[in-house]
Amino acid sequence: QKEVEQNSGPLSVPEGAIASLNCTYSDRGSQSFFWYRQYSGKSPELIMFIYSNGDKEDGRFTAQLNKASQYVSLLIRDSQPSDSATYLCAVRLGGTSYGKLTFGQGTILTVHP
Amino acid sequence: SAVISQKPSRDICQRGTSLTIQCQVDSQVTMMFWYRQQPGQSLTLIATANQGSEATYESGFVIDKFPISRPNLTFSTLTVSNMSPEDSSIYLCSSPGGAHTQYFGPGTRLTVL
Repeated sequence: QKEVEQNSGPLSVPEGAIASLNCTYSDRGSQSFFWYRQYSGKSPELIMFIYSNGDKEDGRFTAQLNKASQYVSLLIRDSQPSDSATYLCAVRLGGTSYGKLTFGQGTILTVHP
Repeated sequence: SAVISQKPSRDICQRGTSLTIQCQVDSQVTMMFWYRQQPGQSLTLIATANQGSEATYESGFVIDKFPISRPNLTFSTLTVSNMSPEDSSIYLCSSPGGAHTQYFGPGTRLTVL
């Protein structure tokens, strides 16, 4: 079992819809969870991080964390064509606030007009 | 957020040669991370560079192939030694921007012929 797994893509949604991206992790000691967006040819850009159970909202983005189920998700409301990118889930294993991240394989999102 | 720069942005190298990649952060950080992103793949951590001590390498990566220097709290280098076409990847430098965040440099796109 991979340490961090994301739902297989690619995911295609129409403009204005909600895009749902999912991620599971295997280490119950994981403390922090990150969503990065990566445009083709660019480096990953941090969208959100979450470390407490529940929802965290930032504009059109909502991250959801369920530590009991070892599950983290990202919802993108009112999806726009500019949201088309690869979305990477990352997990910080262990209890430090500054340690290394382990990445999932990424989900390609396409938002079509 | 941390501002991270890398040099070179890209390079084309011959098999058997070495390339040194530089990473500069605009603030002092304890940890710096080096990742590799092979074509169409997610990010894989190569090593953690700590100032004042030897780098910590992940499974599958060795110091002879990827020597790392960390002379101060804002700078690090990664050398890709004795290159082969399989080393063709994007190499990314990363550092924490504060608790629960981590930022990436723009990356170095390496092609080995």
